[in-house]
Amino acid sequence: DQQVKQNSPSLSVQEGRISILNCDYTNSMFDYFLWYKKYPAEGPTFLISISSIKDKNEDGRFTVFLNKSAKHLSLHIVPSQPGDSAVYFCAASDTGTYKYIFGTGTRLKVLA
Amino acid sequence: NAGVTQTPKFQVLKTGQSMTLQCAQDMNHNSMYWYRQDPGMGLRLIYYSASEGTTDKGEVPNGYNVSRLNKREFSLRLESAAPSQTSVYFCASTDLGSQLYGYTFGSGTRLTVV
Repeated sequence: DQQVKQNSPSLSVQEGRISILNCDYTNSMFDYFLWYKKYPAEGPTFLISISSIKDKNEDGRFTVFLNKSAKHLSLHIVPSQPGDSAVYFCAASDTGTYKYIFGTGTRLKVLA
Repeated sequence: NAGVTQTPKFQVLKTGQSMTLQCAQDMNHNSMYWYRQDPGMGLRLIYYSASEGTTDKGEVPNGYNVSRLNKREFSLRLESAAPSQTSVYFCASTDLGSQLYGYTFGSGTRLTVV
């Protein structure tokens, strides 16, 4: 029973275009949502987050959108750069537990 | 550099052998975690320690034990390794502050059980 799902295992995008990574969740108690980026042979690194009281959060080229009614969040990267090529994980947690449930990841390849 | 340090980085075990994966953080974080990453499965929580002196099971605890040695260190032990425990293991830590900051992860231990 996977509570956090990333249904696209991989995505290829041309440099300069927008990358959109999607994530769905089933637990309506989740209040905090994070995106992590992972390069090969390294640990995941925190990218951007959003809480359920907001529907959008921006940080430079990265924007996360949250649709609570649809239990869906997405990560937009504009413009995409070759250095963005990595595996991206979404993660979710409910308030006060400090335990994050991770999705299976989406491998993004940005083509030069 | 501040962060989460895991040792060893690589290990090959024979079925039935035991070993302990070490993790230490120098950020004065309260909570520490062990995850495993498998192809197509994402990151799954094995055990966690919300604070020094406490440990709890995660999603996939069978075959593992943990020890929160002090605030800095959280070890993961495989008593009798099985091929199904071949995986990449990540230790992580976080402070009990805003949940918007998530975890800091170590660089991982790649374990192969033959």
